[in-house]
Amino acid sequence: QAQLAQSGAEMKKPGSSVRVSCKHTGGTFSTYAISWVRQAPGQGLEWMGGIIVPLGPANYAQKFQGRITMTAEESTNTVFMALSTLTYEDTAVYYCARGQWELPSLSDGFDIWGQGTTVTVSS
Amino acid sequence: QSVLTQPPSASGTPGQRVIVSCSGNSSNIGSNFLYWYQQFPGTAPKLLIYRNNERPSGVPDRFSGSKAGSSASLAISGLRSEDEADYYCATWDDSLSGQVFGGGTKLTVL
Repeated sequence: QAQLAQSGAEMKKPGSSVRVSCKHTGGTFSTYAISWVRQAPGQGLEWMGGIIVPLGPANYAQKFQGRITMTAEESTNTVFMALSTLTYEDTAVYYCARGQWELPSLSDGFDIWGQGTTVTVSS
Repeated sequence: QSVLTQPPSASGTPGQRVIVSCSGNSSNIGSNFLYWYQQFPGTAPKLLIYRNNERPSGVPDRFSGSKAGSSASLAISGLRSEDEADYYCATWDDSLSGQVFGGGTKLTVL
């Protein structure tokens, strides 16, 4: 049974950066797509970007271009999402989610989700 | 403002049939598969419908999806109290080169 396990909650100051990890375990896909989706308190879901492992490169939503980086560590099946220049509006739960097909595309639906990582930006 | 438009709320009584709509345009729903997710408070979303009208294993056949042109809908028949959740539609947008979500619909079972 495939699972995505994310790193723990983060508390960050405005202007700083955060890095969240997402470890893929139990999967049988040799290539897979991982997207990051965030949800601000009381708000809806927002796609931030995605990466196809191990092929890359990452594709980012226009809103986050320039301050987001997604990387994959093939040896550990871990994907990282780094977001810089944080503002209060970046306070949210950040989810990683796996594309559902073994021949992956970033347009696929997400069949496996991580448990979510709460990032709080506060002075 | 979400790219895909959903009603913010919907409601029904147990046993009823409820429909949640999702509208977009030719660059998103009109040319790509549509997905539906179910989310309970404090938990990660769950894939409910994929490729417009397919159900993943384990999703009851009370849930069905359809798409016509640039609009889609999720139908829930035989409504149950445990269906009370938030529902999101999503698809790829060719113009934005990214996935887009609806704003979500909060379903209340009266």
